[in-house]
Amino acid sequence: AQSVAQPEDQVNVAEGNPLTVKCTYSVSGNPYLFWYVQYPNRGLQFLLKYITGDNLVKGSYGFEAEFNKSQTSFHLKKPSALVSDSALYFCAVRVNQAGTALIFGKGTTLSVSS
Amino acid sequence: GAVVSQHPSRVICKSGTSVKIECRSLDFQATTMFWYRQFPKQSLMLMATSNEGSKATYEQGVEKDKFLINHASLTLSTLTVTSAHPEDSSFYICSARSRGGTEAFFGQGTRLTVV
Repeated sequence: AQSVAQPEDQVNVAEGNPLTVKCTYSVSGNPYLFWYVQYPNRGLQFLLKYITGDNLVKGSYGFEAEFNKSQTSFHLKKPSALVSDSALYFCAVRVNQAGTALIFGKGTTLSVSS
Repeated sequence: GAVVSQHPSRVICKSGTSVKIECRSLDFQATTMFWYRQFPKQSLMLMATSNEGSKATYEQGVEKDKFLINHASLTLSTLTVTSAHPEDSSFYICSARSRGGTEAFFGQGTRLTVV
């Protein structure tokens, strides 16, 4: 069975500092990995994805993530956090199979202080 | 990126009535659509997967007679919450993916409140 773990409920960083939001996954076969961001009472906005190729993936708003197969991780990073980055972040995984849905982690609330 | 429009964004209904939520893909053909439910400060729980022209596949524990899903065209899926009760109050989110597409695009979500 597929699963995603986001071990931190909340991450607090100061504006201008680097941020990391952790994600590990478990899936049979090659994973497709995603990060989404959600603002209050809104749907999910796509940030980035790993399908194949370079392990370091760059996405929207200056975010990036590194796929680490040996550690089954896909941590989200940003070199310099902004207050506007404060939101709920979800890691998700699915297998490369038609019709399969994304399985989400529980989410991590990122709080960036000024 | 592709746009998925979900309507209404917010609805309040009386207990015992039915509510229909629409999910439309505006600029692509959504061969597969997904319906999720999200409780406050929690993750998205997959309710069902629907492929255009086929019956939806429901996740374990989701009542198919209560949450009716129709995916009659490549651009529209609907979720009808029948005989709604206060415990059905939640945030419902749809997502859509095209044939061969790697990522799913999400609607804005619908906040359902049953009073």
